[in-house]
Amino acid sequence: QKEVEQDPGPLSVPEGAIVSLNCTYSNSAFQYFMWYRQYSRKGPELLMYTYSSGNKEDGRFTAQVDKSSKYISLFIRDSQPSDSATYLCATPNQAGTALIFGKGTTLSVSS
Amino acid sequence: EAGVAQSPRYKIIEKRQSVAFWCNPISGHATLYWYQQILGQGPKLLIQFQNNGVVDDSQLPKDRFSAERLKGVDSTLKIQPAKLEDSAVYLCASSLAGGGTDTQYFGPGTRLTVL
Repeated sequence: QKEVEQDPGPLSVPEGAIVSLNCTYSNSAFQYFMWYRQYSRKGPELLMYTYSSGNKEDGRFTAQVDKSSKYISLFIRDSQPSDSATYLCATPNQAGTALIFGKGTTLSVSS
Repeated sequence: EAGVAQSPRYKIIEKRQSVAFWCNPISGHATLYWYQQILGQGPKLLIQFQNNGVVDDSQLPKDRFSAERLKGVDSTLKIQPAKLEDSAVYLCASSLAGGGTDTQYFGPGTRLTVL
């Protein structure tokens, strides 16, 4: 079992839709979770991070962690064509150094 | 603030040839990472440097890959000889201190195609 699993999609939605992106993780010791956004032919950039359980909101984006089910979610409200990108969930490895990434979910928002 | 610079952006080589990639991290960042991102996959760590010392190279195929970070600033990653399965984007990232929660800033990557 991979440490971080993510459905690669692709996911296509119309502009204005609510988008839900999800990951699962296997190690209950993981406590810090990140969402990176990667535009085509660019490097990933940090979008949001959350600690442990609960929600974190930043504008149209909400990150949620459910530790009981080892489930990480990113919600995008009022999606825009500029949100079209690959979204990667990540968590630090057990040594607390580098990141373990999911496969990424490719999102396309059409106008 | 300038971001992480990488060159070249694209490289096409024949298998068994050698290739080198260069990375210049954000000024003042102590930690530098090299990741390999195969098409349709998330980035996978190859090697992590703290200043000019290696912190983690457990996933670096050391029979063909090597990396160095001179004077704790720029870094080069080399593949010799290249295999078809090395076709990927090689991403360099840097962070201020290097802890797991420290934000990593990625460069645009070098896209390698091995024929």
